[in-house]
Amino acid sequence: NAGVTQTPKFQVLKTGQSMTLQCAQDMNHEYMSWYRQDPGMGLRLIHYSVGAGITDQGEVPNGYNVSRSTTEDFPLRLLSAAPSQTSVYFCASSYYRDREENEQYFGPGTRLTVT
Amino acid sequence: EDQVTQSPEALRLQEGESSSLNCSYTVSGLRGLFWYRQDPGKGPEFLFTLYSAGEEKEKERLKATLTKKESFLHITAPKPEDSATYLCAVHTIWITDKLIFGTGTRLQVFP
Repeated sequence: NAGVTQTPKFQVLKTGQSMTLQCAQDMNHEYMSWYRQDPGMGLRLIHYSVGAGITDQGEVPNGYNVSRSTTEDFPLRLLSAAPSQTSVYFCASSYYRDREENEQYFGPGTRLTVT
Repeated sequence: EDQVTQSPEALRLQEGESSSLNCSYTVSGLRGLFWYRQDPGKGPEFLFTLYSAGEEKEKERLKATLTKKESFLHITAPKPEDSATYLCAVHTIWITDKLIFGTGTRLQVFP
């Protein structure tokens, strides 16, 4: 198993540009999520999905869109990049709710800089 | 408001010097408490899940414990390779299904 994979690893954008961060998992997990990690702030939930076709907002959703057309993939779209979106982005996946082993597995991260 | 607080922010230990990291929480609808280890430039790596007060889990030099208000990560006789940031997260299913993370404890172990 490759686990959770993310591309790209690094990205530099100019203000106003758009891009998509890719995330894929091969563990057949129902639950997938996107976090951003900023110094002193901890990991904050952006969007999450409990299955294909179902998404919902987390704590900091503004400026980001998601969709979930398959179980495996959960891309994150930045609509119009702003310097405040400079951060490290992590994708995570897990089994959903009542399964005993519902710990989240994280990808390696995408380091995004918006100038 | 749901909240997770970790202390201390940073901890420096001599190799072999045991200590504990604290995670206190205030949440509705607790489903479980998770501990993760994060190395610089990498994603968090799962360590433990605790579900009920009184539960304990161990892995090598690490032992996690849980009460109704807090969790401790005890590190016994640490080695330099235990240096990392340790994250605590609470899984809540009140209103939305999500993890709430603390800001972490940055542990440095010196030989």
